[in-house]
Amino acid sequence: GAVVSQHPSRVICKSGTSVKIECRSLDFQATTMFWYRQFPKQSLMLMATSNEGSKATYEQGVEKDKFLINHASLTLSTLTVTSAHPEDSSFYICSAKTIWDEQYFGPGTRLTVT
Amino acid sequence: DAKTTQPPSMDCAEGRAANLPCNHSTISGNEYVYWYRQIHSQGPQYIIHGLKNNETNEMASLIITEDRKSSTLILPHATLRDTAVYYCIVRVGDMRFGAGTRLTVKP
Repeated sequence: GAVVSQHPSRVICKSGTSVKIECRSLDFQATTMFWYRQFPKQSLMLMATSNEGSKATYEQGVEKDKFLINHASLTLSTLTVTSAHPEDSSFYICSAKTIWDEQYFGPGTRLTVT
Repeated sequence: DAKTTQPPSMDCAEGRAANLPCNHSTISGNEYVYWYRQIHSQGPQYIIHGLKNNETNEMASLIITEDRKSSTLILPHATLRDTAVYYCIVRVGDMRFGAGTRLTVKP
């Protein structure tokens, strides 16, 4: 299957700082990428849908000014958590969709805000 | 707006078949049934998907009822490494996850 990578795999940052997470489709082009968040012992929650070259579509309740998404190329989407707070600590997972409508997930990024 | 219902947890003996049920009584005609699994602290892994016919691949089999209102994922010979949360998803667009079934394979 297709490979999606995320970087970093885990990050610790201080409250009030911003952190950027990268999501790359390694062997295919993805016009659409998705960002999910998962809190401990909970399921994945879709945060936003990112289309290459256009603005992301955010799910209800997700602050677009706090979670900045950029999908500047067909193989890279980034999620920037701005002014992070401890409640933003979570497991962030991206996925990328192929032209055949298959969706592959990255390994996730664990964010801890202290 | 959960579109699927799965039992929260199941146990299976190692080497036995694991049969994971999923109800999706409101499924639309153009929605596919997808199964993913998530091993602790990893991203979801694709297992199998189907529309109305039964499907089989190297990982599992998917049995979809004729009315498409339910399906069963079958892992034919479960191993300890199959312990994970299994998600059944019906979709035509983006992928939205329910609570899933936590499968524990025991020696």
